Amino acid sequence: LAKTTQPISMDSYEGQEVNITCSHNNIATNDYITWYQQFPSQGPRFIIQGYKTKVTNEVASLFIPADRKSSTLSLPRVSLSDTAVYYCLVGEVDSSYKLIFGSGTRLLVRP
Amino acid sequence: NAGVTQTPKFRVLKTGQSMTLLCAQDMNHEYMYWYRQDPGMGLRLIHYSVGEGTTAKGEVPDGYNVSRLKKQNFLLGLESAAPSQTSVYFCASSPSGRTSSYNEQFFGPGTRLTVL
Repeated sequence: LAKTTQPISMDSYEGQEVNITCSHNNIATNDYITWYQQFPSQGPRFIIQGYKTKVTNEVASLFIPADRKSSTLSLPRVSLSDTAVYYCLVGEVDSSYKLIFGSGTRLLVRP
Repeated sequence: NAGVTQTPKFRVLKTGQSMTLLCAQDMNHEYMYWYRQDPGMGLRLIHYSVGEGTTAKGEVPDGYNVSRLKKQNFLLGLESAAPSQTSVYFCASSPSGRTSSYNEQFFGPGTRLTVL
């Protein structure tokens, strides 16, 4: 199972772009990279998933370098409502029960 | 669609009591999961199921049992509650990943359990 390392916490201000980097040095060939967001007192919510290069949706972008040993979640122009914990997970698509939620990155967006 | 629902939302137990947490999903998902989340920590997988009638142990299964008699329901049981089981319990479901490019997990709102 690929282990991930991400910063414990980050601070930002409204309107700024936030980049959260996750390290996964022993990622396997069949592994995807998935990010979840969790607000207090709620279950996690899927944000984005990718395998290589760049993936973009209406919420975020995910940048994955060629060696796939790290990935960066990019949140454009954050607002106060983006204050949450962000989890980076690595694992095979059809073995999602093997995904491990670490402690995540606590993002605090200030006005 | 209601998505993933959990019953009850809150519960207080005394040490040694038993209880069952119910998880239901209306998305026809094959996979279902039970996690626990302790304060300031990430989620840890207790048990999971890859289909009706099947269950398997996750990372922290001790003290818990599960059943998946119907595809839409996944029950988590505590036979003899202990204070160490005080936590927030999340249920999740996901479609089979074999034919899709991703296997997003959909989470319920959680059950806050306190064992005195």
